[in-house]
Amino acid sequence: QQQVKQSPQSLIVQKGGIPIINCAYENTAFDYFPWYQQFPGKGPALLIAIRPDVSEKKEGRFTISFNKSAKQFSLHIMDSQPGDSATYFCAAGPTGGGNKLTFGTGTQLKVEL
Amino acid sequence: NAGVMQNPRHLVRRRGQEARLRCSPMKGHSHVYWYRQLPEEGLKFMVYLQKENIIDESGMPKERFSAEFPKEGPSILRIQQVVRGDSAAYFCASSARVTNEQFFGPGTRLTVL
Repeated sequence: QQQVKQSPQSLIVQKGGIPIINCAYENTAFDYFPWYQQFPGKGPALLIAIRPDVSEKKEGRFTISFNKSAKQFSLHIMDSQPGDSATYFCAAGPTGGGNKLTFGTGTQLKVEL
Repeated sequence: NAGVMQNPRHLVRRRGQEARLRCSPMKGHSHVYWYRQLPEEGLKFMVYLQKENIIDESGMPKERFSAEFPKEGPSILRIQQVVRGDSAAYFCASSARVTNEQFFGPGTRLTVL
């Protein structure tokens, strides 16, 4: 019940394409859903986050779509660039006590010229 | 730059030795989280601490691992009698209050020979 399932494991798109990464969760106590971007040898960097009271959130070229009834959320990267090549992790957690995040297994994205 | 600081960045230990990993949270943050990342895997929660208190240690192995966050100084993750399976990247994150907005440090990469 604590798992967050992420797919695909890896993804290759052409420059300008729109990669989509999907995550699904089971625990209905989760109400905070961040995405992190990680470059090799670096720590994860908070990219964008959403709460269940909205179905979509945009920040620059990054968009989160959220489907509460299906318990799924996804990350879209508009006009992807080679510099977006990184590993992306979705996560989920409760707003209440504990605050630990449960992470997906990651998606390695490569954006080719 | 007042980001999360971790040291050392790389640590090599032989089996049976002790490893001490340090984390200084962002300025103004009093909540610290430790996560472990095995190669090609997502991050796994280990422990959540506030100043002088362990709030949630549900992800900590029962033996050999301990964590503290003293009133003064950095948070310490201590691994006694390390084994090869402890080789991983250990990340610290901090937050300003009881919120899920966690900011990660660059990590400590532990290698056990």
